[in-house]
Amino acid sequence: NAGVTQTPKFQVLKTGQSMTLQCAQDMNHNSMYWYRQDPGMGLRLIYYSASEGTTDKGEVPNGYNVSRLNKREFSLRLESAAPSQTSVYFCASSETLNTEAFFGQGTRLTVV
Amino acid sequence: DQQVKQNSPSLSVQEGRISILNCDYTNSMFDYFLWYKKYPAEGPTFLISISSIKDKNEDGRFTVFLNKSAKHLSLHIVPSQPGDSAVYFCAAGPYNQGGKLIFGQGTELSVKP
Repeated sequence: NAGVTQTPKFQVLKTGQSMTLQCAQDMNHNSMYWYRQDPGMGLRLIYYSASEGTTDKGEVPNGYNVSRLNKREFSLRLESAAPSQTSVYFCASSETLNTEAFFGQGTRLTVV
Repeated sequence: DQQVKQNSPSLSVQEGRISILNCDYTNSMFDYFLWYKKYPAEGPTFLISISSIKDKNEDGRFTVFLNKSAKHLSLHIVPSQPGDSAVYFCAAGPYNQGGKLIFGQGTELSVKP
């Protein structure tokens, strides 16, 4: 009964380093999302994938890339991390774009 | 330019009483609205949704009201329970662009025994 699984849960990066956040869902959902949450702000959409093979920019895509590896997996890559990317990152999935999303537990990323 | 606003960062309510959480939006294209609940160190969980063809949707103790003319929605929890203590986010977007939801900043609800 895993739902949406994100790895890692915590990560500290130095400015300029790269890393990939992994996300997998076992609900056979078509759509997947990456959000970031900053203190005092709501969740902001970084990228989403309506279905396998498609990806689109959200509200705050700069500095990120995504890959929809297959129906289950959607990864988020930071090519050159910046302190402004310090945040909590949430992956989510939904059956379609118009249904409620199920979220993972989040990845707390600190860039120093 | 915050298109979805939750103006109360926190709310404290006595157990058994009603909790009312408010949310305002500015974009008249928004016609799909959701509430999520979030406990510390967990991801948000879906609570209830409403589309613009309705003005009310109920699910057990939770009711969402939508006032389209005022661009305002509210979540009522009756009766409130200590386990309801969490951060509540409203989210809104155009249904035909589902997934591109805009979230409010959240309201932290504390239900005291």
